[in-house]
Amino acid sequence: TQLLEQSPQFLSIQEGENLTVYCNSSSVFSSLQWYRQEPGEGPVLLVTVVTGGEVKKLKRLTFQFGDARKDSSLHITAAQPGDTGLYLCAGRRTGANNLFFGTGTRLTVIP
Amino acid sequence: EAGVTQFPSHSVIEKGQTVTLRCDPISGHDNLYWYRRVMGKEIKFLLHFVKESKQDESGMPNNRFLAERTGGTYSTLKVQPAELEDSGVYFCASSGLGTVEKLFFGSGTQLSVL
Repeated sequence: TQLLEQSPQFLSIQEGENLTVYCNSSSVFSSLQWYRQEPGEGPVLLVTVVTGGEVKKLKRLTFQFGDARKDSSLHITAAQPGDTGLYLCAGRRTGANNLFFGTGTRLTVIP
Repeated sequence: EAGVTQFPSHSVIEKGQTVTLRCDPISGHDNLYWYRRVMGKEIKFLLHFVKESKQDESGMPNNRFLAERTGGTYSTLKVQPAELEDSGVYFCASSGLGTVEKLFFGSGTQLSVL
């Protein structure tokens, strides 16, 4: 059983378009992180959200943690080819140090 | 500053053989984690060291897997004997004691068991 469901699994868009990636669970997390992974590399942390309803911005990327801390979204404005990669959400449960990862969203931005 | 280093980057072995993966965390990072992604699945937690002590090994699949972190510096993950289902990418990650949320991942070891 997958604890964190990401959607869509694959996304191919044109440069300049906007997109949203979703990360959903029936479980509550004390914090949720978003990572980006390039081929042959490990995941690289983009952001951590810890408060229900929290919104964080990183340049053209906007991350939101759901009010109930069960879901999160990543919105990219005016996507660039450099945004191409595998985006992973990962949640941490209260009292635990390990992360539960989603299956990822593979984004391709076409020039 | 060097990041998390993993060796080897790729390993191809036959079923029944032994393989040892190594991870060098960022210097000074007391937390060290092993994660694994098998084909088509999500990245899953294997175990967590704090310095040389195993804090949580609930994700270890079975007793064919042995992780060590002698001296609290680098860590090794040995698989003996390897089975076909052990194939996947093994990631190591580290973080400082007070910054458990800031996790740094290595590039992984791609293990193929034939």
